[in-house]
Order: sequence, then C-alpha cells, then structure tokens
Amino acid sequence: AQSVTQLGSHVSVSEGALVLLRCNYSSSVPPYLFWYVQYPNQGLQLLLKYTSAATLVKGINGFEAEFKKSETSFHLTKPSAHMSDAAEYFCAVSTRDFGNEKLTFGTGTRLTIIP
Amino acid sequence: DGGITQSPKYLFRKEGQNVTLSCEQNLNHDAMYWYRQDPGQGLRLIYYSQIVNDFQKGDIAEGYSVSREKKESFPLTVTSAQKNPTAFYLCATKGAGKGRETQYFGPGTRLLVL
Repeated sequence: AQSVTQLGSHVSVSEGALVLLRCNYSSSVPPYLFWYVQYPNQGLQLLLKYTSAATLVKGINGFEAEFKKSETSFHLTKPSAHMSDAAEYFCAVSTRDFGNEKLTFGTGTRLTIIP
Repeated sequence: DGGITQSPKYLFRKEGQNVTLSCEQNLNHDAMYWYRQDPGQGLRLIYYSQIVNDFQKGDIAEGYSVSREKKESFPLTVTSAQKNPTAFYLCATKGAGKGRETQYFGPGTRLLVL
C-alpha cells in the first residue's frame, strides 16, 4: 500500500521567511507526486506535480519541490513567504490499483504567516 | 465557463434522511471521484468512476451510493446508513491524454446534520 507522511500539521513562518513543508512517501514503483493548496471552504488547487521528468519542479505562486528518490521525499519550498500563502497544503502520491490510478493524500499542513 | 461545479455549497441533513450531492463537469473528463474531508485526516476516497455506467468503491464507501448515467455527472447520495455524515465533500475529475495523471477538484459541498 502507498502512503504519504506530512511532518508537522501546523507550520508558522514570518512574512518574507523561507517556507518549508515536508512530505515523505512510500511507493514500490516510481510514483507521481503532487502538492495541492486549499483555502478555507474551497476545493483543492494544484500547485505542482512530479511526473518523472525533472526532479526540481516549479509550480504556481513561487513554490517549488524537489523529488529525492534516495530520501523518498518531495518537500515543498518557497524562498519568501507572503500573507496570501496562508492555507492548508496537501501532498499526494498517485498509485495504481488494478489498473486504475488513485491518489493517496497526506493529512495536510496548515501554514500560518506571521506579519 | 469551464470546470467542475458542485451543488449545493451547504447542505443540511435530518436524521434518517438521504441527501444527494451534485457534481457536474464540462471538461470532457472520463474519470470522476468523490472524496470526504475531515479535519486532520486529509482526503479519503468514497467512490470513483472511470467510464459511464461503471463505478468502484473507494476506501470508505459504506453508507454512500453513486450513479454515473452521463459522462458529465456523478451524483453522490449520503444514505441514512452513514452515521457520521458531517464533513466536507469534494468531487474531482481526471482526463485522458497529456496530464492524465492529474486530478482536478470542484469547490466542495459542506454537509451538516441537524
């Protein structure tokens, strides 16, 4: 079974500081990996995804993530936090279940930005 | 306006009542999914459908039912057998071709029990 672990259910950073949200996965086959962002009472918006091309993936809103196979990690970073980054972030891994791809999600990290 | 629509935004259920959540898409995507979101638990898969007139149970299907009579529509019924239905429900779709690994999400429906 595939799984995703997001370390830290709540992360607080000061405005302008580095954002680092951690994600580790388990997968017996090369995975697809995703980061989604969710604002209050809204659906999930795709930030970025890894699909076995470049290991450093750039997404929207200045976010990027690096796939590290040796560490089974896909951490999300942004050099300088903005107030508008306050939201919940979900890491997900795509798995195959009898030929049907399914997404397995982590439990989420709520990011708070301190003015 | 293209995309995924979910209605209603808020839904109230009385005890013993069945309620149906709507999910409609005009993206021409073949696959559609229903997830349940509870605080601190991430998203859990309820049902999914790869093609019209076919669907499979996800990880937490008990107390729920679905239908897929049209490609554009994948309604979810929360039955009276679901004893703890209060949650945020999200519908997602996935297409074929380039980008086929990516699921796209609707705005969600919040279900509350009276």
